[in-house]
Amino acid sequence: NAGVMQNPRHLVRRRGQEARLRCSPMKGHSHVYWYRQLPEEGLKFMVYLQKENIIDESGMPKERFSAEFPKEGPSILRIQQVVRGDSAAYFCASSPSVGGNQPQHFGDGTRLSIL
Amino acid sequence: DQQVKQNSPSLSVQEGRISILNCDYTNSMFDYFLWYKKYPAEGPTFLISISSIKDKNEDGRFTVFLNKSAKHLSLHIVPSQPGDSAVYFCAADNYGQNFVFGPGTRLSVLP
Repeated sequence: NAGVMQNPRHLVRRRGQEARLRCSPMKGHSHVYWYRQLPEEGLKFMVYLQKENIIDESGMPKERFSAEFPKEGPSILRIQQVVRGDSAAYFCASSPSVGGNQPQHFGDGTRLSIL
Repeated sequence: DQQVKQNSPSLSVQEGRISILNCDYTNSMFDYFLWYKKYPAEGPTFLISISSIKDKNEDGRFTVFLNKSAKHLSLHIVPSQPGDSAVYFCAADNYGQNFVFGPGTRLSVLP
């Protein structure tokens, strides 16, 4: 039973390029969450999605960032026109339903480096 | 405004002794509290949780205590082992509406 799969594990982009981060949730999980971790900081919530719907994007920067979770395929976090400050580890988590009694299971993250 | 705080960035403990990691929160609407462990270059791994209606939950070497009046919880690891060396995150959930992580505490268990 595979866990949450994120790819790529490492991604290098130049300023102004686009970054696409993928997340395949655990089997049977329809809730997906994206978090960002800056160096020496904790995990910051970005967005929560269910299949084809964005439920909460309160942690997502208003510009350049978007997320989707299509009916088929992985969830995608897309960052357009990347800047140096986007360098971080991006983690995806999934759960079968919502609530603290259903812990989120995390992937190993994508480390994004902006040159 | 940090809703979940872990005021100790790091903690060192001798192998075999007890590790106590602390967490404070400000939002009285949180109904579940969770602890995650994170090794370098890996994602966080769920350890143990506690409902706001309980004051203690135990799972093997790990026990979480909740003091609602003080808005404080703690994770006890006993006995501590070198493999427990990791960053520990406290997290809180508000009926699925709001999931917040603390900044983490780096635990080093010395052999």
